[in-house]
Order: sequence, then structure tokens, then C-alpha cells
Amino acid sequence: DAKTTQPPSMDCAEGRAANLPCNHSTISGNEYVYWYRQIHSQGPQYIIHGLKNNETNEMASLIITEDRKSSTLILPHATLRDTAVYYCIVSATDSWGKLQFGAGTQVVVTP
Amino acid sequence: GAVVSQHPSRVICKSGTSVKIECRSLDFQATTMFWYRQFPKQSLMLMATSNEGSKATYEQGVEKDKFLINHASLTLSTLTVTSAHPEDSSFYICSASSKSIYEQYFGPGTRLTVT
Repeated sequence: DAKTTQPPSMDCAEGRAANLPCNHSTISGNEYVYWYRQIHSQGPQYIIHGLKNNETNEMASLIITEDRKSSTLILPHATLRDTAVYYCIVSATDSWGKLQFGAGTQVVVTP
Repeated sequence: GAVVSQHPSRVICKSGTSVKIECRSLDFQATTMFWYRQFPKQSLMLMATSNEGSKATYEQGVEKDKFLINHASLTLSTLTVTSAHPEDSSFYICSASSKSIYEQYFGPGTRLTVT
């Protein structure tokens, strides 16, 4: 699986949009981009995934560049409960495949 | 979303003993389950992949005789840490997926402390 690069940390003000970047320049054509987050001392939580097109669900939006070498996770209105480590992972098309977690981005939402 | 449970949530055991951790998918059939380990301030590290009815596939560096994994049904996988030592103290997390869903669902984790 291709590797990803994320900033180690970022702060976000409550109520503002949080834009989390991820680079995956070696992504293959059959690999999805997945985002998970982990709140302290809990199991990770699925957020969203995409292949080529931008995706949106009730939690977030995922913007994937046309060349698929990078993506941005957008939390439209950050709340204090969004404070967590966010992981960007690329994984082959069959999502029951392995997820290799990198270091992720520690997001701290402040009042 | 789908629910995955783990039991126990916390366990303390003495060095040299074995401890079993259960992972259950409560509302879907999990054809594949994964086991991860997470040390403090580190990311999750995949230990093994478990397919129902098959032997688990272990990641490089993970001792299969020490971490016994059984996936006997579509809703239950177990991880047994044999002859536990203090360095096995960690946060163990399972996840489950099936061919009918696109994401993995993670359990809440089990905190193992070996004294």
C-alpha cells in the first residue's frame, strides 16, 4: 500500500472549518483514500473514503485532487468533540484489506 | 454504523500468565477481523488479519505462537496473549469488516497491563 504524509498537528477554532491535508503521491489506481479518527483511548472511527470523486457525508467532506496525489478532509464546523488524531490511509479497492496507520494529525479544537 | 465490542475493556495479569481478549461484531457478519496494538503516544500497529475459518496472517515481527488468534465464527474473534510479559502491556484494538460494507469498524480497545 502507498504511504501518506500528514502534518503532525494543527489547531482549529470551534465553529470554524478544519481542513486536513494529506499527501499520497505514490497512490495506485486501485487504492482508495480513507480517513479515520481516534479520540483519546478509544478505537478509531471511520469518517469517509473516496477513490476519485469528492465525497461528502454527515461528518465531513473529502476533496481529492485530479491527479489523486493529495487529498483534504474538511470538517465543516469543528466542535470540541472533534479533537482527535486523524489518520489518512490509502488501501486497495477491497476495503476489507489491511489498513496501515501512519502517525496522523493531532487536531485540537479550541473554544 | 456497525458495532464492534471488545471484552474485557481492561485487564491486569501477572507475568507468565495468558489472557484472552474477545472481539465481537454485534450487528453484521465479519468475514475479516484485524488485530492492532497501540503503545502510548504511538500509532496503531497491525498485528494480524483473521478470516473466518482460516488461520490468521501475522505481520512481520509478530510472534504467532505468542499471540494466538482464533476466528471461529462470523461474529467472534479472539486474541490470546500467551505467557504475557510487562512489555506486552499495551492497548489492543480489533476491527471488523465484511464484503457488504466499505469500511472497517473498530472495537473500543482493551487495555492490558502485565505486572
